[in-house]
Amino acid sequence: GAGVSQTPSNKVTEKGKYVELRCDPISGHTALYWYRQSLGQGPEFLIYFQGTGAADDSGLPNDRFFAVRPEGSVSTLKIQRTERGDSAVYLCASAEGAQTGELFFGEGSRLTVL
Amino acid sequence: GEDVEQSLFLSVREGDSSVINCTYTDSSSTYLYWYKQEPGAGLQLLTYIFSNMDMKQDQRLTVLLNKKDKHLSLRIADTQTGDSAIYFCAERANQGGKLIFGQGTELSVKP
Repeated sequence: GAGVSQTPSNKVTEKGKYVELRCDPISGHTALYWYRQSLGQGPEFLIYFQGTGAADDSGLPNDRFFAVRPEGSVSTLKIQRTERGDSAVYLCASAEGAQTGELFFGEGSRLTVL
Repeated sequence: GEDVEQSLFLSVREGDSSVINCTYTDSSSTYLYWYKQEPGAGLQLLTYIFSNMDMKQDQRLTVLLNKKDKHLSLRIADTQTGDSAIYFCAERANQGGKLIFGQGTELSVKP
């Protein structure tokens, strides 16, 4: 596609449930990033992939959060046993490479945990 | 560690210049960025500067970098109501590809 696509755009779930958020990067981009943005805050880094491997997962808050990118393209962010504090907009971005300038962001998936 | 700080709000009149400031802590930063976020939309890259540059100009935008003070600014000339948005400063550390973002500065442009 023309840009980074994220689905779903909105997800409402109950505390304790499992959630998957999907990111489809720009074709040919080898680097893919996940960020989380709470209301009134800047994006908070979670994890980034170079190809299929997680190059830096230092931002994942705890072991309930996990992300995969099995074929080096689409990525899924998985959140187990969701908590109300997980409510945020989850942003995905892609770039031609991990060291090049521009990250292209999707519009985000808004997660609400009731 | 890495940290990026910005003031939270700026209000200007249409036609004036806006200056948004940012400070960062990682002296090994290679690139510094300015992103714009409009309500309900994703982040859009406005401009970026490599750490060995002092200034970059792109149409109405001027970026100034003071590496000694770890201070970055974005000047928008002839600010328009369409420039109203949240502006994020971000740094890319020398080690690895992640960007660290500031909290964002909400720019309000009054007619």
